[in-house]
Amino acid sequence: DVKVTQSSRYLVKRTGEKVFLECVQDMDHENMFWYRQDPGLGLRLIYFSYDVKMKEKGDIPEGYSVSREKKERFSLILESASTNQTSMYLCASSTGGRFASRLENTEAFFGQGTRLTVV
Amino acid sequence: KQEVTQIPAALSVPEGENLVLNCSFTDSAIYNLQWFRQDPGKGLTSLLLIQSSQREQTSGRLNASLDKSSGRSTLYIAASQPGDSATYLCAVLTSGTYKYIFGTGTRLKVLA
Repeated sequence: DVKVTQSSRYLVKRTGEKVFLECVQDMDHENMFWYRQDPGLGLRLIYFSYDVKMKEKGDIPEGYSVSREKKERFSLILESASTNQTSMYLCASSTGGRFASRLENTEAFFGQGTRLTVV
Repeated sequence: KQEVTQIPAALSVPEGENLVLNCSFTDSAIYNLQWFRQDPGKGLTSLLLIQSSQREQTSGRLNASLDKSSGRSTLYIAASQPGDSATYLCAVLTSGTYKYIFGTGTRLKVLA
């Protein structure tokens, strides 16, 4: 079974702190994603990566950065946490990479989520 | 820009009923559509993946159909059980992108 593991289920941080959310997948997937989920707004893409050291901004990248130094690990960084970043953060991975012929059967797998509270 | 809508937003049914959840999307140029289940406070569990060339997929009591030309997918749950209570989300992978676009989900409650 594919496993996507997020380092923490719950986190409480103070305003202004630098926060690291870690995600590891064990299936050698090319693509990795960070989403946040808020009531009434659904899942919104923050960043995604299709290869080591490659990243692209999603729909709401402001206030966040990412790092992908190894294929299996994708980190989300809140440079200076603010209360409006209190949310559920979800990491995902998928196959597919950059070749269109492989994307039709690519399937996304998610971690268990990190509930972040910024006080 | 791809938009995904799920109707209804919430649904409550008695145990044993067959039910249909709906998902619609605005851009029919997709690679695939995926249905997920999310329990409260948890991550997403993949239920079914339908490739753009397929019409339906089945897994146990679940059957998902895809009508790409009309931008619609349905998730059919047979003989619902209280354990099926969860939020169900659909997501599309639009051609030319790597991004999954999600609907806002249908919150299902199956009453014993």
